Amino acid sequence: GENVEQHPSTLSVQEGDSAVIKCTYSDSASNYFPWYKQELGKRPQLIIDIRSNVGEKKDQRIAVTLNKTAKHFSLHITETQPEDSAVYFCAASSFANTGKLIFGQGTTLQVKP
Amino acid sequence: GAVVSQHPSRVICKSGTSVKIECRSLDFQATTMFWYRQFPKQSLMLMATSNEGSKATYEQGVEKDKFLINHASLTLSTLTVTSAHPEDSSFYICSAEALLGNTEAFFGQGTRLTVV
Repeated sequence: GENVEQHPSTLSVQEGDSAVIKCTYSDSASNYFPWYKQELGKRPQLIIDIRSNVGEKKDQRIAVTLNKTAKHFSLHITETQPEDSAVYFCAASSFANTGKLIFGQGTTLQVKP
Repeated sequence: GAVVSQHPSRVICKSGTSVKIECRSLDFQATTMFWYRQFPKQSLMLMATSNEGSKATYEQGVEKDKFLINHASLTLSTLTVTSAHPEDSSFYICSAEALLGNTEAFFGQGTRLTVV
């Protein structure tokens, strides 16, 4: 089955700096890769997703890149703000079952003012 | 966006009792719902896939007789934790796929289960 590895587990940056979180996956059949932000005790919130027919997607300060050959994808947050502090999860699934998600281990991002 | 409602949000039960958690899609039909478990400071782990009108498919290592899943309609799936024990204490979250598929997953609010 699919296995998703996520690094780093914790990340601390100064406000205004960029943050990068990386994930690798094992199943070449996966073609949908969402990123979630989760605050303590809350449901995961989709912040951006990418499908395998594109290599990069951007939404304001957030971007995701995908390298299907290497089976890895990354989240880039620019101009970080204290409110970006949270736990971020990458995940992988297929178009046919976008809800059947295999999650990475999570990254705790701390943005210091 | 689509709304998935999960109840209860918190429940405390005694060891040995059963607890039912409901997951409802409020404004769309969901042929498939998913149940996840999240222990403190850990990731979400897929427990099972719930299909309307058929038996759930459980992930390896998840006891189907302990975690009973029923998906009787296109808008409701339930997870019953039977004979709960303290080690079952966790955050349980459901998600739903819209009938047409090929969209993002929509998550419920989650249920914090504490077994004492």
